[in-house]
Amino acid sequence: QQQVKQSPQSLIVQKGGISIINCAYENTAFDYFPWYQQFPGKGPALLIAIRPDVSEKKEGRFTISFNKSAKQFSLHIMDSQPGDSATYFCAASSDTGNQFYFGTGTSLTVIP
Amino acid sequence: NAGVTQTPKFRVLKTGQSMTLLCAQDMNHEYMYWYRQDPGMGLRLIHYSVGEGTTAKGEVPDGYNVSRLKKQNFLLGLESAAPSQTSVYFCASTFLGGGLDTQYFGPGTRLTVL
Repeated sequence: QQQVKQSPQSLIVQKGGISIINCAYENTAFDYFPWYQQFPGKGPALLIAIRPDVSEKKEGRFTISFNKSAKQFSLHIMDSQPGDSATYFCAASSDTGNQFYFGTGTSLTVIP
Repeated sequence: NAGVTQTPKFRVLKTGQSMTLLCAQDMNHEYMYWYRQDPGMGLRLIHYSVGEGTTAKGEVPDGYNVSRLKKQNFLLGLESAAPSQTSVYFCASTFLGGGLDTQYFGPGTRLTVL
């Protein structure tokens, strides 16, 4: 059973547009929600992360929105650039657990 | 500071052959993880370790074994490779467990089983 559900599977956005990727979870014990960015041939790298005590976290052009009651969180990429073309994974974990649970990934293509 | 390194980068095996993938980290991290990445399935945890000498099963442990004899190394073994084990394998490490710390990933090993 997929602990974290991610959509869409792929996304094509024009340069300058907004990219939005959504994730949902069921386990209310999760209290750490990171997003990872992966370029072809490379390992995933942490992009931005949020904890459920805040509803939004922004770092540059990247923003996580978090809805605790709906058990959903999303990544917004503002002013999307061709260099943002990559695969994005959401994940969830708990401070008392040892495992991270990943979504299935979203392949983002930003067209110049 | 090399971070997390993986050896080898690529490997082709025949069905039934065995091999060991090596993960090494120089960040003094306690926790280490092995994932496999398959198209449309994201990253799935195979095994993990919470410290030297410990190992635990993840989501998809069947057909794999691991060992953590030294804190900096985490080995993933395939005793009798099967085509279903064709995948990209990633190692990761963290200093603290769960959501208390960032996971750092290695560059991956692409394994093909014929």
